[in-house]
Amino acid sequence: DGGITQSPKYLFRKEGQNVTLSCEQNLNHDAMYWYRQDPGQGLRLIYYSQIVNDFQKGDIAEGYSVSREKKESFPLTVTSAQKNPTAFYLCASSVTESSEAFFGQGTRLTVV
Amino acid sequence: KQEVTQIPAALSVPEGENLVLNCSFTDSAIYNLQWFRQDPGKGLTSLLLIQSSQREQTSGRLNASLDKSSGRSTLYIAASQPGDSATYLCAVLTGTASKLTFGTGTRLQVTL
Repeated sequence: DGGITQSPKYLFRKEGQNVTLSCEQNLNHDAMYWYRQDPGQGLRLIYYSQIVNDFQKGDIAEGYSVSREKKESFPLTVTSAQKNPTAFYLCASSVTESSEAFFGQGTRLTVV
Repeated sequence: KQEVTQIPAALSVPEGENLVLNCSFTDSAIYNLQWFRQDPGKGLTSLLLIQSSQREQTSGRLNASLDKSSGRSTLYIAASQPGDSATYLCAVLTGTASKLTFGTGTRLQVTL
């Protein structure tokens, strides 16, 4: 079954901790994205990658980091510098940056 | 800066009714527009993609139109069913940043 897999589904972070959210796709897509969703707001772009070993900051990259060492994988690290990390995080991919985007099922991150 | 607005924010209709969801955007220089469905606590499911050169796309009971010059798109749902209850999001892909800009969605409830 082709698709995008995000894990874990729920994640709890203590103050001052870094946590990493996983995103894997088997669609052979070149482009991958991370979005953050907060209640009452539209999705906001954190980082995107158009090709392996290359990525660009989105609108709200501060406090986050990513890597793109493999085509299938685009993990997102939420660092302790991110002051308001509690949110729903969505990973997406597309064949190219201008084609249809497909999303994973999301990871809900809560600071405890 | 691209801004996307969806009206209404919430809508409740009886089963069987035809309905229209609206999406407007401020910058008409778009590559494409995509409509998504989101169920509570879940990721986004792609419904329809309209390229900038197209006027409409259809999939089953769904029909999406695009008027790029006026910055508007509509999603028409025919013969609504309780299973259509979800939040519907529109997003536009704008050229320079190769990123999707999302509206805040319309929350649809179809009642028996």
